[in-house]
Amino acid sequence: DAKTTQPTSMDCAEGRAANLPCNHSTISGNEYVYWYRQIHSQGPQYIIHGLKNNETNEMASLIITEDRKSSTLILPHATLRDTAVYYCIVRVGTGGYNKLIFGAGTRLAVHP
Amino acid sequence: NAGVTQTPKFQVLKTGQSMTLQCAQDMNHEYMSWYRQDPGMGLRLIHYSVGAGITDQGEVPNGYNVSRSTTEDFPLRLLSAAPSQTSVYFCASSPPDRNTEAFFGQGTRLTVV
Repeated sequence: DAKTTQPTSMDCAEGRAANLPCNHSTISGNEYVYWYRQIHSQGPQYIIHGLKNNETNEMASLIITEDRKSSTLILPHATLRDTAVYYCIVRVGTGGYNKLIFGAGTRLAVHP
Repeated sequence: NAGVTQTPKFQVLKTGQSMTLQCAQDMNHEYMSWYRQDPGMGLRLIHYSVGAGITDQGEVPNGYNVSRSTTEDFPLRLLSAAPSQTSVYFCASSPPDRNTEAFFGQGTRLTVV
């Protein structure tokens, strides 16, 4: 199973872009990169996922390097409500059930 | 849609007591899971189910039982609570396609004294 490495914490000024990196150097060709966040002990919330190509939705953008060994989650205009722990997850499993393996994540603090 | 509903939100148990944490989803998802989260840590998988009548162990299953008699419900049972089971418990559901996201409940905060 591919593991991920993220910085423990990051800061960002409100209104600026928050760029959260993740390393997953052992990722397999059929594994997706998922990002979730957890706001103050609430249930985790799905943000975005991707396989090879860059992805964008209403919450964020996901940039995956060409070799797929790392990715960056971008919150284009961070707000105070984006303060949360962000988890980068490689979704494992072949067919059947695909487990989510959560690491410690990155604690993002957005300040005024 | 209510999504994933967990009850109760808070619970205090004495060591040795038993209880059931309830989880229900109204999205007709086949996959459901239970996680626990200890202070300052990520989530760890306890048990999961890929459909009614089918369950399997995650990474920390000891001290917990599950069953899945319907698609909607996936209760987690603590047979004899221990202080080490003090944690926040999250239930999640997802459709079987690997390329989709999981939906999490709001958690049950359990304290065992």
